[in-house]
Amino acid sequence: DAGVIQSPRHEVTEMGQEVTLRCKPISGHDYLFWYRQTMMRGLELLIYFNNNVPIDDSGMPEDRFSAKMPNASFSTLKIQPSEPRDSAVYFCASREDGGNYGYTFGSGTRLTVV
Amino acid sequence: AQTVTQSQPEMSVQEAETVTLSCTYDTSESDYYLFWYKQPPSRQMILVIRQEAYKQQNATENRFSVNFQKAAKSFSLKISDSQLGDAAMYFCAYRSWMNDKIIFGKGTRLHILP
Repeated sequence: DAGVIQSPRHEVTEMGQEVTLRCKPISGHDYLFWYRQTMMRGLELLIYFNNNVPIDDSGMPEDRFSAKMPNASFSTLKIQPSEPRDSAVYFCASREDGGNYGYTFGSGTRLTVV
Repeated sequence: AQTVTQSQPEMSVQEAETVTLSCTYDTSESDYYLFWYKQPPSRQMILVIRQEAYKQQNATENRFSVNFQKAAKSFSLKISDSQLGDAAMYFCAYRSWMNDKIIFGKGTRLHILP
């Protein structure tokens, strides 16, 4: 299994531009999570899906952020328009249903907004 | 709301020695899961060990073991025979039995001295 795959690994964009981060979960995992990691706030859960349906988006910072999961093998996190304070590492993670397990994380996308 | 506290922002240990990382959490629930994740410089989040709250026996994975004190809400990680590859950020994490979200502490950066 290739694990959770995120792309791109690094993204540098100018303020005001649209940014799309991508994630492919592990096949068979029913849950998908988006986290953001910053020095100040640590790891914050943004949103998570179960069977492609958003379950809890209470961590999404504002309307500039949106996430979709059109099918079981793909999810996107979009920021439009981006701002310098959005600079962070964004992680995608997945988990299978029914397990007493932690998540399997992707390698993360380091986003820099200049 | 549940919280996870790691009171040691940084620690150092001599190679081959033993080190213990502290973690406390706050919850009113009786069933939950606890985890330790490792984040090396590559930034990949790696699950090190997990503990189910209903199990009294402390979990062990090779050189890694935990001291789970449910009444005290304490979940420390002991690393024996420390190796240079253990140098990383370590995160303590909590997940409710009734919830899919994992809450992370702020982390402890572990340095291994040769």
